[in-house]
Amino acid sequence: DVKVTQSSRYLVKRTGEKVFLECVQDMDHENMFWYRQDPGLGLRLIYFSYDVKMKEKGDIPEGYSVSREKKERFSLILESASTNQTSMYLCASSPQPDTEAFFGQGTRLTVV
Amino acid sequence: QKEVEQDPGPLSVPEGAIVSLNCTYSNSAFQYFMWYRQYSRKGPELLMYTYSSGNKEDGRFTAQVDKSSKYISLFIRDSQPSDSATYLCAMSGASGTYKYIFGTGTRLKVLA
Repeated sequence: DVKVTQSSRYLVKRTGEKVFLECVQDMDHENMFWYRQDPGLGLRLIYFSYDVKMKEKGDIPEGYSVSREKKERFSLILESASTNQTSMYLCASSPQPDTEAFFGQGTRLTVV
Repeated sequence: QKEVEQDPGPLSVPEGAIVSLNCTYSNSAFQYFMWYRQYSRKGPELLMYTYSSGNKEDGRFTAQVDKSSKYISLFIRDSQPSDSATYLCAMSGASGTYKYIFGTGTRLKVLA
């Protein structure tokens, strides 16, 4: 079975903190993605990676960075958390471009 | 105009009904189409993946793509209360990048 695992289901962080969200997939997929999901706005792409150590900005990269040191792991970093980054964060992976994307269970981040 | 339009609902139906969920899109270059089911506070779960026009059936679910009308549908037969969730459509293959474009989701309630 396809498995994408995010390190936390719920997180509460303070404004200004550096936050790490971790995602691991066990399917040997080439591509990994980070999205945020907000009511009325749907899923918005933050960053994606099509290979180890490769990354591309998505539609809303400001305030975020990513790291992909190993094929199975893709980390999202909030350099200095702000309240407008309170959201549901979703990691996904896919084997090839335009094939099915599989999602993790999501991390609900609250910044206070 | 959004690239993908999806009625947010909520759509309420009695148990056993046939449900029709729809998305329209504006970019005729999309070639790959997906439907996801998302329960509250969980990550999206892939239900159907189709390429180009036509129908695909999997159990109680049928996905239909009409590229000439830029319209995709998901039909659920013999709907169950456990089908109550938000359904997201997604598409890709337009820009030569790795991007998936998501609808904002339709909330479905199946009443026992």
